Amino acid sequence: EVQLVESGGGLVQPGGSLRLSCAAAGFTFSSSEMNWVRQVPGKGLEWLSYISSAGTVIYYADSVKGRFTISRDNAKNLLYLQMNSLRAEDTAIYYCARALEAAGTYGYWGQGTLVTVSS
Amino acid sequence: IVLTQTPLSSPVTLGQPASISCRSSQSLLHSNGNTYLSWHHQRPGQPPRLLIYKVSNRFSGVPDRFSGSGAGTDFTLKISRVEAEDVGVYYCMQATQLHTFGQGTKLEIK
Repeated sequence: EVQLVESGGGLVQPGGSLRLSCAAAGFTFSSSEMNWVRQVPGKGLEWLSYISSAGTVIYYADSVKGRFTISRDNAKNLLYLQMNSLRAEDTAIYYCARALEAAGTYGYWGQGTLVTVSS
Repeated sequence: IVLTQTPLSSPVTLGQPASISCRSSQSLLHSNGNTYLSWHHQRPGQPPRLLIYKVSNRFSGVPDRFSGSGAGTDFTLKISRVEAEDVGVYYCMQATQLHTFGQGTKLEIK
């Protein structure tokens, strides 16, 4: 069974940093493209970042480019999102999502972790 | 690329059909010949789950009452007979040029 479990969310002050993790199990993580998506509670979905299976190709949404960094550790089956210079508008539920191979979408989503940016 | 969904809210009677439209600001036909338009469903308090990928392909375990169609810039998700478990928000998503989501359509039972 595919499992994606996010962690690392919590309350952080504006301007602060946070690192999210996504633990993967039940599939060959090192062969899977991964993404981070967020959702302001009660609002829509916003794609944030993509990383290829080997970590050599990375893309970001303009809203987080220069502030967020995606990375992965294939030996530990972990996906990361380093978030710096956090703003109130970054408050959201953050999901990791595994790409469905050759389908251009996400076949599996984690349960999400809530990040609250507030003083 | 901007995806615009209509309607934003859809009250439907159980057992009746429902249809959601997704219009793209640019063609979603990729240079490799594929069209990367998918549909996701999110129930309250749950993460989204994939329903349809590459316009019309149902994901594993998705009931056949769900179908997708379209091409270029205009796409549709249809539910042939709405069931109670279908309530929630439906999102179209494109991955032809990076990734973007539509704003969501809330399906509720009348």
